[in-house]
Amino acid sequence: KQEVTQIPAALSVPEGENLVLNCSFTDSAIYNLQWFRQDPGKGLTSLLLIQSSQREQTSGRLNASLDKSSGRSTLYIAASQPGDSATYLCAVLYSTLTFGKGTMLLVSP
Amino acid sequence: DTGVSQDPRHKITKRGQNVTFRCDPISEHNRLYWYRQTLGQGPEFLTYFQNEAQLEKSRLLSDRFSAERPKGSFSTLEIQRTEQGDSAMYLCASSLEVGGVGKLFFGSGTQLSVL
Repeated sequence: KQEVTQIPAALSVPEGENLVLNCSFTDSAIYNLQWFRQDPGKGLTSLLLIQSSQREQTSGRLNASLDKSSGRSTLYIAASQPGDSATYLCAVLYSTLTFGKGTMLLVSP
Repeated sequence: DTGVSQDPRHKITKRGQNVTFRCDPISEHNRLYWYRQTLGQGPEFLTYFQNEAQLEKSRLLSDRFSAERPKGSFSTLEIQRTEQGDSAMYLCASSLEVGGVGKLFFGSGTQLSVL
């Protein structure tokens, strides 16, 4: 059974800092990995999708990497802003998406 | 709006009542998923459809839960004889699968509270 772990569970940083969120998964047989953002009480917004054959994806200030063999992914957020405050979820796809519990990020002005 | 829409956004019900949620996926998407999320946890898979066929169901989906996707368009999730443990956010997602697995797009969810 696939298990996804995210570290840290919560993170608080001042505005402007660069930060890294970590995700690990136990079964490397995946089609892709997605990073999502979730605001309180809301649905999920897809941020980045990395296919199993890819190593990284970038969108604006976000960069996600994937090392399938070691079962690890990182989400790098550059120059963090208060608007980045949210829960970030990592999910891996085989037949269905399996999610981690998320990292709750707070960026203070 | 061309995203995934879910109705209602919030549902409060008494224990033992039946509830039904609706999901309208992005129109050209052939896959539709249902997930459940409780506070502080990631979403947990319940079931998914490829067009109108229900292809997989989680063991979380007890006999009180039933999902349908008639004609491969919108989907409904019904919970019969609700229990307090059913209180959660129910999320729907859709994707387009064409020779490969695509990105999932989620709706805003239905928050269920069972009193």
